[in-house]
Amino acid sequence: GENVEQHPSTLSVQEGDSAVIKCTYSDSASNYFPWYKQELGKGPQLIIDIRSNVGEKKDQRIAVTLNKTAKHFSLHITETQPEDSAVYFCAARGGSQGNLIFGKGTKLSVKP
Amino acid sequence: DVKVTQSSRYLVKRTGEKVFLECVQDMDHENMFWYRQDPGLGLRLIYFSYDVKMKEKGDIPEGYSVSREKKERFSLILESASTNQTSMYLCAIGQGASNYGYTFGSGTRLTVV
Repeated sequence: GENVEQHPSTLSVQEGDSAVIKCTYSDSASNYFPWYKQELGKGPQLIIDIRSNVGEKKDQRIAVTLNKTAKHFSLHITETQPEDSAVYFCAARGGSQGNLIFGKGTKLSVKP
Repeated sequence: DVKVTQSSRYLVKRTGEKVFLECVQDMDHENMFWYRQDPGLGLRLIYFSYDVKMKEKGDIPEGYSVSREKKERFSLILESASTNQTSMYLCAIGQGASNYGYTFGSGTRLTVV
């Protein structure tokens, strides 16, 4: 089955810097890769996703890149702000109707 | 967008009690999931359901059961709560037959004493 590895587990950046979180997956049939942001006391919320027929997707300050050959995908946050501080999860969906498999999460801290 | 409501934000139960965690959606999505979240372990799938009366075991089903009598409601049951089931429990809805874009509830923080 699918396995998703996420790094780093914690990340601390200064406000205004960029942050990058990386994930690798094992199942070459996986075709959907969402990213979730979980703020303290809340459930995870979808912030961006990418499908396997696309290499990059941007939404304002966040972007996701996908390298199908290497089986890894990354979340990029530019011009970080304190409100970006949260736990971020990557996930991969295996097969045509598979469930999402989640990475273990990255705790991002943005210092003012 | 679907709204996912979990019945309790915080719950404290005694060891050995039977515990019910409820999850309700306000739309008609088939796919519903229960996860538990623990520090350093991420989100682990307990059970899921693709339709009424249907249930499938996830990665860590031991000590849990589920019930889906109506499409909009998916219940997680701890038959005899133990302290190692103290955790954050999250319900999620998978949108569409292809399971894109899960929507999560706010979670239930369960403490078993």
